[in-house]
Amino acid sequence: GQQVMQIPQYQHVQEGEDFTTYCNSSTTLSNIQWYKQRPGGHPVFLIQLVKSGEVKKQKRLTFQFGEAKKNSSLHITATQTTDVGTYFCAGLSQGAQKLVFGQGTRLTINP
Amino acid sequence: DSGVTQTPKHLITATGQRVTLRCSPRSGDLSVYWYQQSLDQGLQFLIQYYNGEERAKGNILERFSAQQFPDLHSELNLSSLELGDSALYFCASSVAWGLAGNNEQFFGPGTRLTVL
Repeated sequence: GQQVMQIPQYQHVQEGEDFTTYCNSSTTLSNIQWYKQRPGGHPVFLIQLVKSGEVKKQKRLTFQFGEAKKNSSLHITATQTTDVGTYFCAGLSQGAQKLVFGQGTRLTINP
Repeated sequence: DSGVTQTPKHLITATGQRVTLRCSPRSGDLSVYWYQQSLDQGLQFLIQYYNGEERAKGNILERFSAQQFPDLHSELNLSSLELGDSALYFCASSVAWGLAGNNEQFFGPGTRLTVL
C-alpha cells in the first residue's frame, strides 16, 4: 500500500535558525497537505498543494510540491518559539480515496 | 476551536472492557475520520465515513468498530481493551472526501484513553 515517509523524525534548532522537513511518497500523489500539531494539541491544517512543482508561502513557511508529485517539503525561515510542534504531511494517492499521513517531524527550539 | 467536538476528553478503564468514543463533525461536513495516536507516534488512520457510509479503512483492529449516524455524528467502539490500546483518539471531519473536492480535515481535541 501507499507509504508516506517523513524525515527527520526529530529536529532541534536554536531560535532564529531555519528548519526543513521532507516528505516522500511511494506513489504519485494527487495532492499533499501539511498539518501542525502543537504539544498537547490536535493537528491543524496548514496548506494543500495540488500542482506539480507548486510553491506556496505563508509568512516564514515555504511549502513545495515536487515535479514528480512524489515528494514535498516544508521550510521555516528564522524559527520562533511559536513554531514548536510536530509537522505532518499527508498525501492523497492518485486513484486512492484516503489521506496517508507521514510519521511527522517533531520540532523543538532552544530560545 | 475547529468546530469538531469529541467526548469524553479522558477515559480510564480496565483491560477487557468496552468503550465508546463520540464525535460530532463541523456543521456541514459529511466526512468523518478516526485516528489513533500513541505516545510520540504519528497519526494512524483507522476508518472513514462519508454521509453514513464507510469509505476507507486503515489499520483498524477487528476489536474496533465505528459507525456514522443519520445526524452525521460518529462513534468509535473499542472492545476487549488491551494495555496497548492506550492512546489519543482523534476524530476529524471534512466537507468532502478523496478527490471530490475540498478535503481539508478539521481535527477535534481528541479523547485520551488509558487502559489499566
